[in-house]
Amino acid sequence: SSELTQDPAVSVALGQTVRITCRGDSLRDDYASWYHQKPGRAPLLVIYGDNKRPSGMPDRFSGSSSANTASLTITGAQAEDEGTYHCFSRDSESRLYVFASGTEVTVL
Amino acid sequence: QVQLVQSGAEVRKPGASVKVSCKASGYTFTSYGVHWMRQAPGQGLEWVGVTNPGGHTSRYAQDFQGRVTVTSDTSTSTVYMEMRSLRFEDTAVYFCARERGEGASRYLDPWGQGTLISVSS
Repeated sequence: SSELTQDPAVSVALGQTVRITCRGDSLRDDYASWYHQKPGRAPLLVIYGDNKRPSGMPDRFSGSSSANTASLTITGAQAEDEGTYHCFSRDSESRLYVFASGTEVTVL
Repeated sequence: QVQLVQSGAEVRKPGASVKVSCKASGYTFTSYGVHWMRQAPGQGLEWVGVTNPGGHTSRYAQDFQGRVTVTSDTSTSTVYMEMRSLRFEDTAVYFCARERGEGASRYLDPWGQGTLISVSS
């Protein structure tokens, strides 16, 4: 399949850990990047190259990858981490780009 | 600082065309690709296309091939996305973003603020 898939929603208690996954055949060959989006705002880069953080991104955000699955982990989730997390990579067949459908994170 | 500033909201009737601009600043314009994405109300992000301002080449998602054209003006460091034959379902916020990375690691940073395109009769 050329698609990327994410679970639609996940919840996490304040201060606890949550892992969000992104699956797709293309992830065997290309790195995923992750973006955090709050309602009415543009997405913000969180993780790139599977496990690199941009300057200023808190270290509670981490990434990993195995086979066809990329993961984003928030260790010690904060209220401001609520929102939708989008996975982005390349389509395995066309070599063009694709987003997964996004995972909405709720911090309880 | 690196910044992408998009043009304002537009309203169009079905069948019309719209052209959205994305003005870049704070970096060498011709050294980075610029992507376009859209987000329909309550939906996820959908990749539309990418342009290489340095080489004036563009590629598009299959769903937009033939209906979208992305161009760049190096004199003003601005990228344009034109969509033709608009449909009600094209109503969405359209974002531009600078491409970074290389090879198997490409990512988008920063993003423009978004432009709402409404298609209404």
